Amino acid sequence: RKEVEQDPGPFNVPEGATVAFNCTYSNSASQSFFWYRQDCRKEPKLLMSVYSSGNEDGRFTAQLNRASQYISLLIRDSKLSDSATYLCVVTLSSNDYKLSFGAGTTVTVRA
Amino acid sequence: DTGVSQDPRHKITKRGQNVTFRCDPISEHNRLYWYRQTLGQGPEFLTYFQNEAQLEKSRLLSDRFSAERPKGSFSTLEIQRTEQGDSAMYLCASSPSDTQYFGPGTRLTVL
Repeated sequence: RKEVEQDPGPFNVPEGATVAFNCTYSNSASQSFFWYRQDCRKEPKLLMSVYSSGNEDGRFTAQLNRASQYISLLIRDSKLSDSATYLCVVTLSSNDYKLSFGAGTTVTVRA
Repeated sequence: DTGVSQDPRHKITKRGQNVTFRCDPISEHNRLYWYRQTLGQGPEFLTYFQNEAQLEKSRLLSDRFSAERPKGSFSTLEIQRTEQGDSAMYLCASSPSDTQYFGPGTRLTVL
């Protein structure tokens, strides 16, 4: 079983729409949680960390459910520039920060 | 621009050849990570350094792979006797603590 699993999508949404997707992680001892964004043939870039209480960063909202071991990302008022692959990431240890990535969810925002 | 640089950006080689990649991290970052990403998958952890010490290696890192970080600055990743299955994007990331900043990657194609 993979450590982090995501719905690959693609999610194809019009501009201005809201899109949301989840990922699940297998190790209940996972310590830290992130969403990274990756554009085609580019490196991953940190979008936001995910905290237990949930957090927002502009149009992006992340939630963590430790009991069910899932993380969600919601994008409001989608822009064309939000088109990317969103990678769900966890770290398994508090002693090092080795990242475990999901395979990514592809979002395409159309005009 | 994250400040992490990798060289070369692209490498095409024939099966059986040796290749070496270089990563220059952000200068004050003491942690350096190598990941490998294949098409349609998220990055997979290969190895990491804290300063010059290599602290962990994934089982993905066969004995054909070796990584070094002399003097705790730049790092090199060498693959000996390349195989077609080694074709992937090799990503380097550096970190002062828990947030990792990725370089643009080296795309390896083994013919």
